[in-house]
Amino acid sequence: GNSVTQMEGPVTLSEEAFLTINCTYTATGYPSLFWYVQYPGEGLQLLLKATKADDKGSNKGFEATYRKETTSFHLEKGSVQVSDSAVYFCALCKNSGNTPLVFGKGTRLSVIA
Amino acid sequence: NAGVTQTPKFRVLKTGQSMTLLCAQDMNHEYMYWYRQDPGMGLRLIHYSVGEGTTAKGEVPDGYNVSRLKKQNFLLGLESAAPSQTSVYFCASSVPGNTIYFGEGSWLTVV
Repeated sequence: GNSVTQMEGPVTLSEEAFLTINCTYTATGYPSLFWYVQYPGEGLQLLLKATKADDKGSNKGFEATYRKETTSFHLEKGSVQVSDSAVYFCALCKNSGNTPLVFGKGTRLSVIA
Repeated sequence: NAGVTQTPKFRVLKTGQSMTLLCAQDMNHEYMYWYRQDPGMGLRLIHYSVGEGTTAKGEVPDGYNVSRLKKQNFLLGLESAAPSQTSVYFCASSVPGNTIYFGEGSWLTVV
């Protein structure tokens, strides 16, 4: 079946540090891949997405590249800010068929000044 | 620009009581979902619907029922609430294979 595995947190970084949150997936065919972010007390918001191999999604300084050869979609940011403190979820969705979105367990990021 | 709206936002129930969470979306999406979020467990799919009049079980369906009588609404029911159902519930909607949009969550406590 389809599944997503992301690195367990929590991750604590100093402001302006480099961030990587690993995500790997298992799926048949060619899924779309997503990163969602959840700020404290809020619902999930789409951060970025990629729909085919080698696509790079980017938003708010975050980037992730769809790597089919390694079945990965790692989230990166060159310089994190305190305001980036949140829980980050990697997810996949099949592009066809009646299969709902599958989420990883989430990675909590805390950025300290 | 409402998007996905959940009601109520907060609720406290006694064990054995019943309640319904309402989800409404104004984006004409075919797919709708109910997830629950618990510490250390991430998001787990309870039930979902791929169209009006259809529902399907997700990963953790026991103790819940759903109905999708209208395309824009997806109801989640708890017939006899249990403390294990204390959680944050998220409704979401999407078109197949595309971005999923979430509501702001419903905090449910069962005492």
